[in-house]
Amino acid sequence: GENVEQHPSTLSVQEGDSAVIKCTYSDSASNYFPWYKQELGKRPQLIIDIRSNVGEKKDQRIAVTLNKTAKHFSLHITETQPEDSAVYFCAAKILTGGGNKLTFGTGTQLKVEL
Amino acid sequence: GAGVSQSPSNKVTEKGKDVELRCDPISGHTALYWYRQSLGQGLEFLIYFQGNSAPDKSGLPSDRFSAERTGGSVSTLTIQRTQQEDSAVYLCASSLSSGTDTQYFGPGTRLTVL
Repeated sequence: GENVEQHPSTLSVQEGDSAVIKCTYSDSASNYFPWYKQELGKRPQLIIDIRSNVGEKKDQRIAVTLNKTAKHFSLHITETQPEDSAVYFCAAKILTGGGNKLTFGTGTQLKVEL
Repeated sequence: GAGVSQSPSNKVTEKGKDVELRCDPISGHTALYWYRQSLGQGLEFLIYFQGNSAPDKSGLPSDRFSAERTGGSVSTLTIQRTQQEDSAVYLCASSLSSGTDTQYFGPGTRLTVL
């Protein structure tokens, strides 16, 4: 089955700096990659996603890049703010014939310091 | 409109007891998912429903775990003869259908087995 690895497990940045979280996946058939943000004590929420037919997607301060050949994808947050502090999870999914489940990484605890 | 709801929010039980966890998906969402989140870990897929049928039960950790969904809406996850290792947050998510449809998570049920 699919295996998703996520690094780093913790990340501390100064406010205004950029943060990068990286994930690798094992199943080359995976073709959908969402990112979820989970604030302390709250439910995970989708922040951005990318399909395998594109290499990059941006939404304001957040961007995701995908390298299908290397089977890795990354989340980039620019101009970080204290409210970006949370746990971020990457995930991978096979859109058709894959059982429809998301396989998640183990999460990255991002702390944005003032 | 109303989001995904789960009950109870917290459940403390004794080892060996059975527990039932409930999930109310967003109205009109045909796909429903159960995940388990252990302390400091990612989200572990348990089971996926499309309507009332469960085409993917591959994540259920043992035959002590079962789930059902009736009327294409509410789902219950049952854990029989609970063990201490079952302690975790159980998250439910729903999506409009499947594929790339965003999965919206509920607040979770924190299960503690003493």
